Amino acid sequence: QSALTQPASVSGSPGQSITISCTGTSSDVGSYNLVSWYQQHPGKAPKLMIYEVSKRPSGVSNRFSGSKSGNTASLTISGLQAEDEADYYCCSYAGSSTFNVVFGGGTKLTVL
Amino acid sequence: QVQLVQSGAEVKKPGASVKVSCKVSGYTLTELSMHWVRQAPGKGLEWMGGFDPEDGETIYAQKFQGRVTMTEDTSTDTAYMELSSLRSEDTAVYYCATDPDTAMGLGYWGQGTLVTVSS
Repeated sequence: QSALTQPASVSGSPGQSITISCTGTSSDVGSYNLVSWYQQHPGKAPKLMIYEVSKRPSGVSNRFSGSKSGNTASLTISGLQAEDEADYYCCSYAGSSTFNVVFGGGTKLTVL
Repeated sequence: QVQLVQSGAEVKKPGASVKVSCKVSGYTLTELSMHWVRQAPGKGLEWMGGFDPEDGETIYAQKFQGRVTMTEDTSTDTAYMELSSLRSEDTAVYYCATDPDTAMGLGYWGQGTLVTVSS
């Protein structure tokens, strides 16, 4: 199972909005509403930001939103803040004949 | 609130095995589907395997089949991940992760265990 495809890096200025794409296939992103997004700061464990495509866990800012169209999922961060600078990973359930999970390669977000 | 506390860093020689533990508190292991994810230095996240609640079985990523074993001790609420035939490419931080409230969202992570494979 190949990793999901994310841009290596994105950047934006404070207050702006950015979108990170996550492209999979009809076997993973396209078939299941089980896409999640994780934020990871250096040296820290990942933090769940979005699950089931667009749901936010309690405590996650509503500046973070998720969506999906076809085989591509997206994470949008509005009102960029300095603390949003981190690596972001998408993840999808990819089960067909067997349970499987696949991550994207990660996107480095730089807040200019 | 789920808390996951992992065992400490390990240094292993190529060909050896390593067993990482993940102690659960706040819930019992039987209430959770535990997954293991690793991250090589400077690289991305990689799912190694996890519990499929539909089938009641632990499923391993194809890449690790035959080399990884994930077990649970429900008497101590501790999950284990054992990786054998270690090679230098297995040098990574290994995480346990779970979430009782979401479908395939991992909202709770251990602190990570660094496994270094070096001769």
